Amino acid sequence: DVKVTQSSRYLVKRTGEKVFLECVQDMDHENMFWYRQDPGLGLRLIYFSYDVKMKEKGDIPEGYSVSREKKERFSLILESASTNQTSMYLCASSLPERTSGELFFGEGSRLTVL
Amino acid sequence: AQSVTQLDSHVSVSEGTPVLLRCNYSSSYSPSLFWYVQHPNKGLQLLLKYTSAATLVKGINGFEAEFKKSETSFHLTKPSAHMSDAAEYFCVVSLNTGGFKTIFGAGTRLFVKA
Repeated sequence: DVKVTQSSRYLVKRTGEKVFLECVQDMDHENMFWYRQDPGLGLRLIYFSYDVKMKEKGDIPEGYSVSREKKERFSLILESASTNQTSMYLCASSLPERTSGELFFGEGSRLTVL
Repeated sequence: AQSVTQLDSHVSVSEGTPVLLRCNYSSSYSPSLFWYVQHPNKGLQLLLKYTSAATLVKGINGFEAEFKKSETSFHLTKPSAHMSDAAEYFCVVSLNTGGFKTIFGAGTRLFVKA
């Protein structure tokens, strides 16, 4: 089975802190994604990566950056956390293009910024 | 352009009665269609997927969905609801591009009464 692991399930941070959310997948998937999920707004794509060191902005990249130094790991970085970044963050991975587009999700990281 | 509409934000059923969660989609191409389930504070789990093979798709936990091209629908059904089915369900359309062009529905919250 594909496993996508988000190491931090619940985090509480203060405004202005730097926050790292880590995601690791064990199925050698090329593509990895970070989504944000908020009530009433659904899932919104923050960033995605199709290869090591490659990244593309999604629909809401402002206030976020990402890092993909190894194929299995995709990190989301909040350089200076703000209260409006309190949310559920979901990491996903998928097979390459010309496949079905099925996404494999981690359990999520619930971030609270005070 | 792609879009997906889940016609009900909330559905409430009694345990042992049928479940119907409705989804309409719009796509200029032949998409892949998915249903995912999300239990509270968890990630999304794939229930079933349609990728241009059989139009009636069977998934996990007794769920199934029928792809109807003429009606542009992909409704999710289950003959008999169980308390453990209470969750949020997402209808998703993808353009078979490795997850890059994925559109999520707004979600339907399923309540199951004892």
